Amino acid sequence: QKEVEQNSGPLSVPEGAIASLNCTYSDRVSQSFFWYRQYSGKSPELIMSIYSNGDKEDGRFTAQLNKASQYVSLLIRDSQPSDSATYLCAVNTNAGKSTFGDGTTLTVKP
Amino acid sequence: ETGVTQSPTHLIKTRGQQVTLRCSSQSGHNTVSWYQQALGQGPQFIFQYYREEENGRGNFPPRFSGLQFPNYSSELNVNALELDDSALYLCASSTSSANTEAFFGQGTRLTVV
Repeated sequence: QKEVEQNSGPLSVPEGAIASLNCTYSDRVSQSFFWYRQYSGKSPELIMSIYSNGDKEDGRFTAQLNKASQYVSLLIRDSQPSDSATYLCAVNTNAGKSTFGDGTTLTVKP
Repeated sequence: ETGVTQSPTHLIKTRGQQVTLRCSSQSGHNTVSWYQQALGQGPQFIFQYYREEENGRGNFPPRFSGLQFPNYSSELNVNALELDDSALYLCASSTSSANTEAFFGQGTRLTVV
């Protein structure tokens, strides 16, 4: 079992729809959680960070964290074609180690 | 405020050679982490440097080594290159060693032939 697992995708949604991306992690001592967006051939770009249970909203993006279920999700509302990318979930421990999932590729169709 | 910069952007090396990749951290950041990203996979944590000391290491052999300098810039050195070392090498800087947001450089694409 991988330490951080994401839906392999690809995920395809129509423009204007809600895209839902999921991530589970195995290390219960994980403290901080991040979502990155990576366009093809580019480096990851930080979208959201979340540290405590519940929801965190930033514009069209909402991150959700449930530590009891070891589950993190990212919702993208009013999806745009420019949101088409690979979304990476990252989980950090206090030891400074960051573990990434393999990403979910999202395609938003006009 | 300057972002994270890496050099070179692309590099081709022969199996068995050694390579040094460089990273300048974002202004105000004292922590640098290095990652290897193979095609179709997420970044794999190599190690982290915090205030010039190694602070955490992933499952990479000792031929992967690093340095951090007093200005918090960093180097990744890989000895005895293997074909499987071909990947995108990413550097990320942050303001502390744990639980803070990290910002990536543009990466170095290494090809080993």
